[in-house]
Amino acid sequence: EADIYQTPRYLVIGTGKKITLECSQTMGHDKMYWYQQDPGMELHLIHYSYGVNSTEKGDLSSESTVSRIRTEHFPLTLESARPSHTSQYLCASSDRIGVAGTDTQYFGPGTRLTVL
Amino acid sequence: ILNVEQSPQSLHVQEGDSTNFTCSFPSSNFYALHWYRWETAKSPEALFVMTLNGDEKKKGRISATLNTKEGYSYLYIKGSQPEDSATYLCAFNSGYSTLTFGKGTMLLVSP
Repeated sequence: EADIYQTPRYLVIGTGKKITLECSQTMGHDKMYWYQQDPGMELHLIHYSYGVNSTEKGDLSSESTVSRIRTEHFPLTLESARPSHTSQYLCASSDRIGVAGTDTQYFGPGTRLTVL
Repeated sequence: ILNVEQSPQSLHVQEGDSTNFTCSFPSSNFYALHWYRWETAKSPEALFVMTLNGDEKKKGRISATLNTKEGYSYLYIKGSQPEDSATYLCAFNSGYSTLTFGKGTMLLVSP
């Protein structure tokens, strides 16, 4: 069983608030990812990291920001939440092993964010 | 922009039925094709990673095949059980560190 955790699981918040979604993994994985998923749609990559002090933007443009100060921790922050940010956010991690493209991603349970 | 298509979008079968779904992906710049299973209220979990044309993988009653030349993969479930009810996602890797996911096939197996 993968050891990757996300908090909170559910969050309902008002417009304009600053929020941080937490993601932690205890597997020592170098790579971590944030995905956004709207109902009936694909998982879209919004941020990823190769390791400490590395962050990259994903395929889907996002107003959120991320940081990677510790290997195990990859928080996502929205400075000013808006209703358009309402979505499900999933965090994942993977290790740098094997042939390129084959590393399995281990997912957290997700955070369902609703911005009123 | 990479396009990964999955069909059908959803499927409702009876316990004991066998079923299969399709994942279509770009046939160029292929590195790997991943299958994930996502049960409601749980985390997506990996089923298979396939890299070679003609690859076949099996895990219990679930198996998958890969055709990289024509850009498709099939996932088969033999003798579906209610516990197989989940959304099945495929994801394509073109050599970068990231995956491009399809929208998934939602399977419901009734007792």
